[in-house]
Amino acid sequence: QSALTQPASVSGSPGQSITISCTGTSGDVGSYNFVSWYQQHPGTAPKLMIYEANKRPSGISNRFSGSKSGNTASLTISGLQAEDEADYYCCSYTGRNTGVFGGGTKLTVL
Amino acid sequence: EVQLVESGGGLVQPGGSPRLSCAASGFTFSSYDMHWVRQATGKGLEWVSAIGTAGDTYYPGSVKGRFTISRENAKNSLYLQMNSLRAGDTAVYYCARGRGSGWYFDYWGQGTLVTVSS
Repeated sequence: QSALTQPASVSGSPGQSITISCTGTSGDVGSYNFVSWYQQHPGTAPKLMIYEANKRPSGISNRFSGSKSGNTASLTISGLQAEDEADYYCCSYTGRNTGVFGGGTKLTVL
Repeated sequence: EVQLVESGGGLVQPGGSPRLSCAASGFTFSSYDMHWVRQATGKGLEWVSAIGTAGDTYYPGSVKGRFTISRENAKNSLYLQMNSLRAGDTAVYYCARGRGSGWYFDYWGQGTLVTVSS
């Protein structure tokens, strides 16, 4: 199973919005709404930010939103803040209780 | 409070067979799927294995036949038996609680580093 495709890096200024894409295939992202997104700061464990493509766990800011169209899922962060600077990973279900992550995107807040 | 604490990492020789453990607390362990996810230094996340509440197990092709996930509900513990290790298995190994209905990981441990080197 090949990793999902994410841009290596994105950047934005405080207050701006950015979107990170996650492209898969008809066998993963395109077939299931089971796409999740994780934020990881250096030296720490990943943190769940979005699940089932567009749902936010309790305690996650509404500045984070997710969507999906066809084989591509997206994470949008609005009102960028310095603490949003981190690595972001998407993950998709691929059937039979297996899954695959994206390669990760480094977000820089300028 | 949900807590997941991994242990068992360290320096392992190529071909070695370490067993990782994950101690769970703060939730009904037997009611949740559990997973192992790894991350090589400076690299991305890779899903490594899953075990369902009934003990059913799942693996990606990269580790199938070499790694075995298991659980001991009476001890609230998750395990990963790794065999025939090679340099490419060097990584931080995280245990994570799964949500089967949507196939995502809502809680993660702090990870344990496995270094495969002679």
